[in-house]
Amino acid sequence: AQSVTQPDIHITVSEGASLELRCNYSYGATPYLFWYVQSPGQGLQLLLKYFSGDTLVQGIKGFEAEFKRSQSSFNLRKPSVHWSDAAEYFCAVADGNQGGKLIFGQGTELSVKP
Amino acid sequence: DAGVIQSPRHEVTEMGQEVTLRCKPISGHNSLFWYRQTMMRGLELLIYFNNNVPIDDSGMPEDRFSAKMPNASFSTLKIQPSEPRDSAVYFCASTRTGSYGYTFGSGTRLTVV
Repeated sequence: AQSVTQPDIHITVSEGASLELRCNYSYGATPYLFWYVQSPGQGLQLLLKYFSGDTLVQGIKGFEAEFKRSQSSFNLRKPSVHWSDAAEYFCAVADGNQGGKLIFGQGTELSVKP
Repeated sequence: DAGVIQSPRHEVTEMGQEVTLRCKPISGHNSLFWYRQTMMRGLELLIYFNNNVPIDDSGMPEDRFSAKMPNASFSTLKIQPSEPRDSAVYFCASTRTGSYGYTFGSGTRLTVV
């Protein structure tokens, strides 16, 4: 069965610093991978997704993620964090044969220091 | 487009009462998902529908939970009887089948006392 692991429960970075959030997946075939962001009291918003092709994908709000098959990873990055990026971030994997079912990681909470 | 609309936003109920959560998906989206979010278990898929038909309800915790989708524009998640351990945020999401671009509602925060 597919699974997603986000090793970091909570990360704190300074405003303007770079960010990398880790995500590892378990899946036999080429996975469909996603990053979502959740602000307090809100639903989840899609940041970016990877289906195939270029392994570096660009998303909204200046985020990007890189798919590395050899490491079963799909890490999220941003070169310069803004205070408004403080939120919870979820990595997810989908099985194309499961009709769109997404399996989410446990999430990483990002705090931004002034 | 108003997005995925969930109601109510907050629900406080007493143990043993029936609770009904509602969801209106985005028009044209034919897949609908119900998720539950708790601190302990994170985001769990409860059930999902394609073209109003339940496809996978293996995540529904027990018989107290039931979900329906009588038409393409409306779904309900019912808990009867409710228990304190059902307290969570319940999210509805929709997409076009095979798209995977889920749009989430703002959720219903359920508290069972």
